[in-house]
Amino acid sequence: DAKTTQPNSMESNEEEPVHLPCNHSTISGTDYIHWYRQLPSQGPEYVIHGLTSNVNNRMASLAIAEDRKSSTLILHRATLRDAAVYYCILRDGNSGTYKYIFGTGTRLKVLA
Amino acid sequence: GAGVSQSPSNKVTEKGKDVELRCDPISGHTALYWYRQSLGQGLEFLIYFQGNSAPDKSGLPSDRFSAERTGGSVSTLTIQRTQQEDSAVYLCASSFLVSGGSYEQYFGPGTRLTVT
Repeated sequence: DAKTTQPNSMESNEEEPVHLPCNHSTISGTDYIHWYRQLPSQGPEYVIHGLTSNVNNRMASLAIAEDRKSSTLILHRATLRDAAVYYCILRDGNSGTYKYIFGTGTRLKVLA
Repeated sequence: GAGVSQSPSNKVTEKGKDVELRCDPISGHTALYWYRQSLGQGLEFLIYFQGNSAPDKSGLPSDRFSAERTGGSVSTLTIQRTQQEDSAVYLCASSFLVSGGSYEQYFGPGTRLTVT
């Protein structure tokens, strides 16, 4: 399974943008990039996913490098409710399996 | 609509006892996953069910762990002869697999298992 590496923790000020990086240098052409986040004492929740092109939704934006070896989750205006652990996960779109291999994620702290 | 539900929310058991953890997935979701999360750690994949296919058991840590999914809906994770290292939060997720879809997994709140 292709692996991802993320910083253990990051801090951001409230109302400012946050860029959460993820390296996936061994990504294959059929791997999708998924982001989930886990708020305290809750199960993870889906944030966004993409394959090659940048993606936007109501929660965040996903910027994917041209070589796909890295990606960045962008929260445009961090709020205190965005404090969570953010996981970057690769899903093989060709294997017929949909299990996720979670890394340790990035713990985002949002400062008021 | 109703999300993924799990029961019990908390379970305390003595070392050596068997436990059963239940997961009710979102209605219509064909895929169901079990993960566990030890204190301060990321999620560890355990097992995955997809429709009528044979489950992917590659993440089960030992033969003390087993899971069933009856009628393509409810799933039970069983841990026999529990050990202290089995203490963790056990999370269930389900998803609706549609070609070209996001395969977004919806997670339940988890069952916190404590083995004393």
